[in-house]
Amino acid sequence: DTAVSQTPKYLVTQMGNDKSIKCEQNLGHDTMYWYKQDSKKFLKIMFSYNNKELIINETVPNRFSPKSPDKAHLNLHINSLELGDSAVYFCASSQDLLQGNTGELFFGEGSRLTVL
Amino acid sequence: QKEVEQDPGPLSVPEGAIVSLNCTYSNSAFQYFMWYRQYSRKGPELLMYTYSSGNKEDGRFTAQVDKSSKYISLFIRDSQPSDSATYLCAMTDSNYQLIWGAGTKLIIKP
Repeated sequence: DTAVSQTPKYLVTQMGNDKSIKCEQNLGHDTMYWYKQDSKKFLKIMFSYNNKELIINETVPNRFSPKSPDKAHLNLHINSLELGDSAVYFCASSQDLLQGNTGELFFGEGSRLTVL
Repeated sequence: QKEVEQDPGPLSVPEGAIVSLNCTYSNSAFQYFMWYRQYSRKGPELLMYTYSSGNKEDGRFTAQVDKSSKYISLFIRDSQPSDSATYLCAMTDSNYQLIWGAGTKLIIKP
């Protein structure tokens, strides 16, 4: 039973299109994240939600809009896709906001976005 | 200069060798230190974490932290081809935000 699952696994689309990625965790965690990993494997945090509330909103173009309908789900919608958006997007969850714990994040398998 | 520096590699070693992976950091306020392993086309998974300076051992893996030098290491003994992956270091700042290294790609040759 997958702990953090995200769909779709692969997206190939044209510039200017809009796309969404969905994420669900069944670990009972309070905090969920979206990360972007570029071709050089560098992980960059985009957003963090704690109990459906936006906690971290890094410098990300406002074409990216996260939405958390409940604490087990965090979706990512991207408008007007650009070539530079091509990357692997990872959803992750943690028990809480990392305060006092080990900093353990549980990651999904990633959604590989290719913008043509 | 990035807060966490990690050589991207690739680092290629023969099976059975001892592997040393390293990260340096600039912020003395970093508290927890983690190593994540990421297999190709998979998400990262936590391998080890440490808090204080010193060594922590788990099977073939040893994590070492030297806070005075701002340097952390991960040692893998008796390396196996299944250890081939990208290893990312990560550390928490005073706000408990995770700061990541760029990852080192490790290749263990049979």
